[in-house]
Amino acid sequence: GQSLEQPSEVTAVEGAIVQINCTYQTSGFYGLSWYQQHDGGAPTFLSYNALDGLEETGRFSSFLSRSDSYGYLLLQELQMKDSASYFCAVRDYIHQGGKLIFGQGTELSVKP
Amino acid sequence: EAQVTQNPRYLITVTGKKLTVTCSQNMNHEYMSWYRQDPGLGLRQIYYSMNVEVTDKGDVPEGYKVSRKEKRNFPLILESPSPNQTSLYFCASSLRETGEQYFGPGTRLTVT
Repeated sequence: GQSLEQPSEVTAVEGAIVQINCTYQTSGFYGLSWYQQHDGGAPTFLSYNALDGLEETGRFSSFLSRSDSYGYLLLQELQMKDSASYFCAVRDYIHQGGKLIFGQGTELSVKP
Repeated sequence: EAQVTQNPRYLITVTGKKLTVTCSQNMNHEYMSWYRQDPGLGLRQIYYSMNVEVTDKGDVPEGYKVSRKEKRNFPLILESPSPNQTSLYFCASSLRETGEQYFGPGTRLTVT
């Protein structure tokens, strides 16, 4: 079956760096995505890694190691507005078109 | 403005009374999905559609129906809602299967 594991909660202070890990088990892996969701709001796309390595977008970076079935989201220079839930997601290609499987989310709390 | 819209945003209904949640996107996206979000369970895909008249089950399709008669619209139908379908529902679209998903604002459904 498919599964993703990520920590349920992470706490950090403003200005710090935090890393949110995601390990996955899927069939026909085709890329790891990250989404941010503020309380009750719509998830918004942050990044997508199809190949191994680091992708950087401003303060956010995402890393993928396909051989380890592992990825992470790195948030630098944390701000209070970064307090949100972060979801990793992978696509399962056993089914044509692919189901998208989300992790259960990591709630990030940024303290002053 | 590029967006995904859902209606209604909030709905309280009773067991067994058929309802439809509409979803529309103005980005000419081929791929659309419905998700439900419950505390501690993350986002779970209900159904997805790769194009007009092409739909497939996600992880939790029981009790739901969908249709894709036009590219822009992807309604979610609950023929006989039950209390265990009380949840926060999101519609999403993307240009390609592996593309960034754009989420609607969500529909909070309560079935009593």
